Amino acid sequence: EDQVTQSPEALRLQEGESSSLNCSYTVSGLRGLFWYRQDPGKGPEFLFTLYSAGEEKEKERLKATLTKKESFLHITAPKPEDSATYLCAVRGEDSNYQLIWGAGTKLIIKP
Amino acid sequence: DSGVTQTPKHLITATGQRVTLRCSPRSGDLSVYWYQQSLDQGLQFLIQYYNGEERAKGNILERFSAQQFPDLHSELNLSSLELGDSALYFCASSVGVVAQETQYFGPGTRLLVL
Repeated sequence: EDQVTQSPEALRLQEGESSSLNCSYTVSGLRGLFWYRQDPGKGPEFLFTLYSAGEEKEKERLKATLTKKESFLHITAPKPEDSATYLCAVRGEDSNYQLIWGAGTKLIIKP
Repeated sequence: DSGVTQTPKHLITATGQRVTLRCSPRSGDLSVYWYQQSLDQGLQFLIQYYNGEERAKGNILERFSAQQFPDLHSELNLSSLELGDSALYFCASSVGVVAQETQYFGPGTRLLVL
């Protein structure tokens, strides 16, 4: 069964304190791993798509990496405006083209 | 701004009532997805339409139904509403049905059932 687990559930950092969020997945035939950011009461905002192990993508203070079992979202020198819930989702060849979502990591950056 | 629009932003209604949520996908997108997100819960996939046809069903209750119109906008109908139906409802769209495609989400409709 396709599954996505995100850790930690919540992460509190001081401004400027770099860290990583984890997304572990089990899927048959990965067709894509997606990272989204969600602010309270708002729709998820697309960040990155990764397709194959070894792939990396960057956007401002965020960098996403992918292995055959997990993905990391690295946050470098975060600012308070980076506070949000970060969601990971995967699509596999057996998932009828649907996304399998993780529960998210709630990131809080304190000034 | 993702380009996906949803109306209304907020909806307050009573148990037993019926409501309709509306979604307009990004220009050029043929697929529309509906999701439910209850308080502190993850995103629950409800249903997908592609170019007017139902493509996939997730955890959608029989009291809920949806359709996609020729102009590609979609409506989610929720009937016989219960307190537990209170949630954020999101619409997302993508170009087609290719597995690698990204879904872009709208701002959501917050439904409160009293």
